[in-house]
Formats: sequence, C-alpha cells, structure tokens
Amino acid sequence: DTGVSQNPRHKITKRGQNVTFRCDPISEHNRLYWYRQTLGQGPEFLTYFQNEAQLEKSRLLSDRFSAERPKGSFSTLEIQRTEQGDSAMYLCASSLALRGLSSEQYFGPGTRLTVT
Amino acid sequence: AQKITQTQPGMFVQEKEAVTLDCTYDTSDQSYGLFWYKQPSSGEMIFLIYQGSYDEQNATEGRYSLNFQKARKSANLVISASQLGDSAMYFCAMPRMDSSYKLIFGSGTRLLVRP
Repeated sequence: DTGVSQNPRHKITKRGQNVTFRCDPISEHNRLYWYRQTLGQGPEFLTYFQNEAQLEKSRLLSDRFSAERPKGSFSTLEIQRTEQGDSAMYLCASSLALRGLSSEQYFGPGTRLTVT
Repeated sequence: AQKITQTQPGMFVQEKEAVTLDCTYDTSDQSYGLFWYKQPSSGEMIFLIYQGSYDEQNATEGRYSLNFQKARKSANLVISASQLGDSAMYFCAMPRMDSSYKLIFGSGTRLLVRP
C-alpha cells in the first residue's frame, strides 16, 4: 500500500530561481490538492484537481505559480522567480471524492522550500 | 464563511493520562463535517478522526474520540492514555461546503507528552 509521495523533501534555492515539486497521489484517487503551510500555521489551500482538470485556484496562487496534473496521475507545482516569502512547506493531498464531505484527504510528507 | 479556531497553542500531558484539545468552528451550513489531523515533526498530516454534523454518536477511533457539541459549535479531540508518540501538532479542519471539499484548518495545538 503506497501512500502519497512528494519529491523533493527539501529544496533550498536562491531568490529568483525557478523550482518544481512533484506529487504522486494514491493511484485510485481522483482528487489532488495542494496546500501551503508556513511556520506555526495550519495549511492553506492553493489549488485542486479533479482527474486532470484544475478546478480551483486560491488567491494565494500568484501568476508565478503553476500546477499541472497531466493524465490525471502525478502533479507538479512550479514556482517561477522565487521570493523569500515563498519559503514554506508545500503539502499535497489526494482523496477519492465519492463520499463527499466525509472523504478524508491523505497527505504526503511535504516539500520544505527555503528561499535564500 | 467557514472558520476553525484552536485556542490552545500548546498543551502538556503526562504519559498515560487523557487530554482534550479544543476546536470551535463557525459555519452557516446545516450539513458539515470536521476532521482532526496529527502532524508529527516529520511533516506528514495523518488523519485521525471524522465527525459529520448529522452523526448521532460522537466519533471514536481507538484512543481518539470526539466530544462533539453542536449547540456550542465545538468538536474537541480527546486522546486517552497518552503515549510519548502522541507528541505532535494537532489540527482541526472543516471541508468547504462547495464541490471542492478543500480543508479549512485551524492554527493547531502542539501537544507534548511528558514521561
């Protein structure tokens, strides 16, 4: 039984560089969510996919951020021209949305981004 | 708008004792749900327990139970017989009542279990 995996686990980059994170959800899950978590806070929603369609993007997701989920499988989150304020933990979660609001989301271990 | 409030930034509990972590919520929806997640220092959010607003019984999962008081809009997590491995951040969360079901999280409570 493989859970949600994320790579890399840690990323240190210089301001202005581009970074890309990958999330591999549980294989039969049709929904994939991205959240961002800063120190001492709960995760905040960024965007989500139903299969390959990106259905919603948060206002937190500036135009420097882009996410894809080709073929409804893995997903990538790219940040262009990183800023120090982008330093955070980026969490991916997947769910099988058949049970509506009781569908629990399974989270990956996160990618911790540090922008220097 | 939906909102989750966790007023305890940190809690201590002695090993083998029970502890209650507070969560209050605000929603105008009649049907809603509440989740509790545990986040160890490794970072992964681990699902603990779910309570639906129309569930007649308080949810229980092993050593975890929910003290759900609808009139007070509270869904407190009770951990019985605390173990050292329970030391972690605990988050209460509510799914948005649109088709996204994206989770709205509280700010969390850090629990430290003393030996």
